[in-house]
Amino acid sequence: KNEVEQSPQNLTAQEGEFITINCSYSVGISALHWLQQHPGGGIVSLFMLSSGKKKHGRLIATINIQEKHSSLHITASHPRDSAVYICAVVYNTDKLIFGTGTRLQVFP
Amino acid sequence: DAGVIQSPRHEVTEMGQEVTLRCKPISGHNSLFWYRQTMMRGLELLIYFNNNVPIDDSGMPEDRFSAKMPNASFSTLKIQPSEPRDSAVYFCASSLQRSGVGYTFGSGTRLTVV
Repeated sequence: KNEVEQSPQNLTAQEGEFITINCSYSVGISALHWLQQHPGGGIVSLFMLSSGKKKHGRLIATINIQEKHSSLHITASHPRDSAVYICAVVYNTDKLIFGTGTRLQVFP
Repeated sequence: DAGVIQSPRHEVTEMGQEVTLRCKPISGHNSLFWYRQTMMRGLELLIYFNNNVPIDDSGMPEDRFSAKMPNASFSTLKIQPSEPRDSAVYFCASSLQRSGVGYTFGSGTRLTVV
C-alpha cells in the first residue's frame, strides 16, 4: 500500500465545473504540498499546508491532520487548469513522499 | 530571483558514459533536493542536503550515483557509468531551512541513455 494515495487517478471536466482531488496518507507528517505539473514537465508548488485551509485565486486546499486527508478544489475550472496534480507529504523533516498524481483534463 | 536553475535541460548519452547534472538553488535556500521522475515510479527523492551537508541519501539507487554540494549555490548529481534504465527526468528543488517554505522546483533535466 502506498503511503500517499490520491483519487481519482484521472479526471475529466467541462469548463466551469467544480473539481475536487483527494489525498490520503498513512504516515505522520509535518506538512503537505499540492504540486501542479503541466505537459512539458515543469512542477510548481501550489500550496503547503500544515492545518486548516488555504486559498489562492480559484484554488482551495484543505487538510485534516486527524483524518490524514487533504483535498484540492478548483472552482470554475478552465482548460488551462489541465495538468497533473500531485500531493506530497513532508515526512521526517524535509523528506517528501509523493502520491501518484491525478491527471486532470478540462474541456471547453 | 531566477528560480532553481538546472542544466542541461536535455542530455542524451551512450550507455557507459559519465553524466553530470547541475543545479543552482534559490539564493538563501539552505535545503536542496534531487528527485527522479519516471513513468513507472513517479517522483522519487534521491538525496537531500541541508546547509550543504547530505542528510538523507537513502533514495540513491546504487553506487553509480553520487551527489555533491560544494557550496550553498551549487550541486551536482553524477551517474557513472550510465545505463539505459537511468533514463528519466531529474528535478532539483530547494527550500528555506527545514520548513518547506518556498519549495521550488527546477525545470528538470531530461536524461536519455541509449
